[in-house]
Amino acid sequence: AQSVTQPDIHITVSEGASLELRCNYSYGATPYLFWYVQSPGQGLQLLLKYFSGDTLVQGIKGFEAEFKRSQSSFNLRKPSVHWSDAAEYFCAVGAPGDYKLSFGAGTTVTVRA
Amino acid sequence: IAGITQAPTSQILAAGRRMTLRCTQDMRHNAMYWYRQDLGLGLRLIHYSNTAGTTGKGEVPDGYSVSRANTDDFPLTLASAVPSQTSVYFCASSAGLAYNEQFFGPGTRLTVL
Repeated sequence: AQSVTQPDIHITVSEGASLELRCNYSYGATPYLFWYVQSPGQGLQLLLKYFSGDTLVQGIKGFEAEFKRSQSSFNLRKPSVHWSDAAEYFCAVGAPGDYKLSFGAGTTVTVRA
Repeated sequence: IAGITQAPTSQILAAGRRMTLRCTQDMRHNAMYWYRQDLGLGLRLIHYSNTAGTTGKGEVPDGYSVSRANTDDFPLTLASAVPSQTSVYFCASSAGLAYNEQFFGPGTRLTVL
């Protein structure tokens, strides 16, 4: 079965600085990979996803992520964070032919002025 | 407005009581899911349904049951609530297989005393 690890529980970043959130997955073949964001008191919203093709994917809100098979990673990046990016971010993995996703424990991002 | 609705928004429940969390989607999605979110554990899948009339167990199904009588509704029942079921519960839906985006409801905050 597939699984996801998000090594960073909490990250604090200054507004305008760059952000990188780490995600490592465990799966024998090429998985489907997702990043979701959860604002306080809200449900989850999809930022971006990867399942084939170009390993650098662009998402909403200026986020991008890069799939690196050799490192089993799918890290999320944003060049310049805004205060509104303060939220919890979840990486998720799915297997081809399956219906289910496995989510990581999440990374909470705090943005300081 | 298209999307997923969940009811109730929050609930305090005495241990041993029966409780049904409601979930309705109007996107005609085939697949629906129930997750629980706990601090430090991310989202864990409780039960899912690939299509109306079928259900499956997720990662943490014990103490919960679901039904899928039609496409739109996917209620989650706690037959006899216990304090460890205190959590935030999210319902989600997708068009089907894992590469499809999952759309999340706003969540139900459940406290079992």
